[in-house]
Amino acid sequence: DVKVTQSSRYLVKRTGEKVFLECVQDMDHENMFWYRQDPGLGLRLIYFSYDVKMKEKGDIPEGYSVSREKKERFSLILESASTNQTSMYLCASSLDDRGGGGTFFGQGTRLTVV
Amino acid sequence: DAKTTQPTSMDCAEGRAANLPCNHSTISGNEYVYWYRQIHSQGPQYIIHGLKNNETNEMASLIITEDRKSSTLILPHATLRDTAVYYCIVRVAALGNEKLTFGTGTRLTIIP
Repeated sequence: DVKVTQSSRYLVKRTGEKVFLECVQDMDHENMFWYRQDPGLGLRLIYFSYDVKMKEKGDIPEGYSVSREKKERFSLILESASTNQTSMYLCASSLDDRGGGGTFFGQGTRLTVV
Repeated sequence: DAKTTQPTSMDCAEGRAANLPCNHSTISGNEYVYWYRQIHSQGPQYIIHGLKNNETNEMASLIITEDRKSSTLILPHATLRDTAVYYCIVRVAALGNEKLTFGTGTRLTIIP
């Protein structure tokens, strides 16, 4: 089974802190993603990566950065956490499969910024 | 990507088959149909996908009509753990188009 593992299930951080969210996948997927999910707003893409050291901005990259030094690991960084970044963060991965493979998600990290 | 229409909510008795419909009348020839679900407070879970043929895996079956304008996800023997929001998505499988956009989905409640 594909496994996408996020380092924390729940996290509470203070305003202004630098926050690292880690994600690891074990299926050798090329693509990795970071989304956030908020009530009424659905899934919103923050950043994604097609390959090691590659990154592309999604729809809402402001206030975030990412790092992909190894194929299996994709980190999301909140440079200076703010209360409007309180959200559920979801990491996902997929094959670079033009035959239409599925996208697999981690269990989510519920981040609260106080 | 084509738009999809799903009922807002459905109930199904435990042990019965749950049949979740999805309309995608504007689907184009190279677009796949995907199904995901999200159980409360968890990440979305991929269920199944197909292009034109019916598909079955250990979780569910996907029936796509011949004209591809609608599909049905079938959970053959629903359990309480299948209570979730189910999302039907239609999209082209192509490099650069991997982003997922979920609509409002169908809230499926399995009744004991």
